[in-house]
Amino acid sequence: QSVLTQPPSASGTPGQRVTISCSGSSSNIGDNTVNWYQQLPGTAPKLLIYSNNQRPSGVPDRFSGSKSGTSASLAISGLQSEDEADYYCAAWDDSLNGVVFGGGTKLTVL
Amino acid sequence: QVQLQESGPGLVKPSQTLSLTCTVSGGSISRDSYYWNWIRQPAGKGLEWIGRIYNSGSTNYNPSLKSRVTISVDTSKNQFSLKLSSVTAADTAVYYCAINLQWGDWFDPWGQGTLVTVSS
Repeated sequence: QSVLTQPPSASGTPGQRVTISCSGSSSNIGDNTVNWYQQLPGTAPKLLIYSNNQRPSGVPDRFSGSKSGTSASLAISGLQSEDEADYYCAAWDDSLNGVVFGGGTKLTVL
Repeated sequence: QVQLQESGPGLVKPSQTLSLTCTVSGGSISRDSYYWNWIRQPAGKGLEWIGRIYNSGSTNYNPSLKSRVTISVDTSKNQFSLKLSSVTAADTAVYYCAINLQWGDWFDPWGQGTLVTVSS
């Protein structure tokens, strides 16, 4: 049972826009920034979005993040086959004094 | 560009202590502003943060693992380590080391990960 809640799966066709939600509480998302990671099959996670909506160098602008209250979202526009991966949200939790992750969302490109 | 590489036994017996090392290249582990983290992922499951250490020696641990975890730094070898005691099959996972900056709690970069299986 993860502290942050994500849908287990999402899907879309090439070119579509998909969003993945991440729900938390006042002790994590409500009071801290949200980060997103992309994990391609068989590889280590990679930072995708940090501080709610910032993209590291090299991440396409098709990926965007937002946060409102105790929830956050990752949006992927112009969906491509190489976007098929697991996506995780994460945030610092003030009550646990540590980082908490969502359970992950498996994105399928149909 | 800092790079991380995990190493350690791939098989640990139940009730024993799991010991892993993360070797840092491309930068000094004594550098200010970095937290050195361990994160794990059981097969087919999500990510779980284990804990972190700052170069001052201060640590934060996941409350669910705190009683069994020790993270330490060896500046002479430019490495940091994870020890997890009294392991069970539930501790079988891929273990990753990762960096986060003092002013930001995002992890970047990550090591490639190492699989540890707990079995007799």
